[in-house]
Amino acid sequence: DAGVTQSPTHLIKTRGQHVTLRCSPISGHKSVSWYQQVLGQGPQFIFQYYEKEERGRGNFPDRFSARQFPNYSSELNVNALLLGDSALYLCASSFRQGAGNEKLFFGSGTQLSVL
Amino acid sequence: AQSVTQPDIHITVSEGASLELRCNYSYGATPYLFWYVQSPGQGLQLLLKYFSGDTLVQGIKGFEAEFKRSQSSFNLRKPSVHWSDAAEYFCAVAANFNKFYFGSGTKLNVKP
Repeated sequence: DAGVTQSPTHLIKTRGQHVTLRCSPISGHKSVSWYQQVLGQGPQFIFQYYEKEERGRGNFPDRFSARQFPNYSSELNVNALLLGDSALYLCASSFRQGAGNEKLFFGSGTQLSVL
Repeated sequence: AQSVTQPDIHITVSEGASLELRCNYSYGATPYLFWYVQSPGQGLQLLLKYFSGDTLVQGIKGFEAEFKRSQSSFNLRKPSVHWSDAAEYFCAVAANFNKFYFGSGTKLNVKP
């Protein structure tokens, strides 16, 4: 079975632009979470979606938004890009929404560089 | 507030030597604890998890971790390190809605 897939793998944008990152969860998984990993740090939680609804949000500005589609795939959108948005963006899927007791399976990430 | 501290940024061990990576957490309720490993430019792979029960948990690749509530610790151990274990290791505590709080990671170098 395929794991969590993310596209694109690498992306270069300039300040002020908009970006869309995509994620396909493991087949049968209904929850998708997004994390930002800045170089030298651990991943930081951005969003969790379950059954197409936002169920959790981290401490990120409104420039960050996401959605989940009926097939449980997800998009992360970032508007008005800043240099500080340069990071590895990780998508993770799990079978259920979870109360913390779900295993997360991570994709390989999208490396976003903002120039 | 939930948080995870990994006090060691870099660790170097010789191949065949034992390994212990430290992790301390702060969480108000019973914690769900995880260790993940990340190779350069890759996502995170789950090594092991603690939800409840036996405080010594076994994971993949010969890793184990011990949950110590009194010390708020969840240290990762391996009796004999292989060169392929060189990577970055992240400890995490999970809250509702799959919101994971990760530590800042420990980079492991393995000397031949």
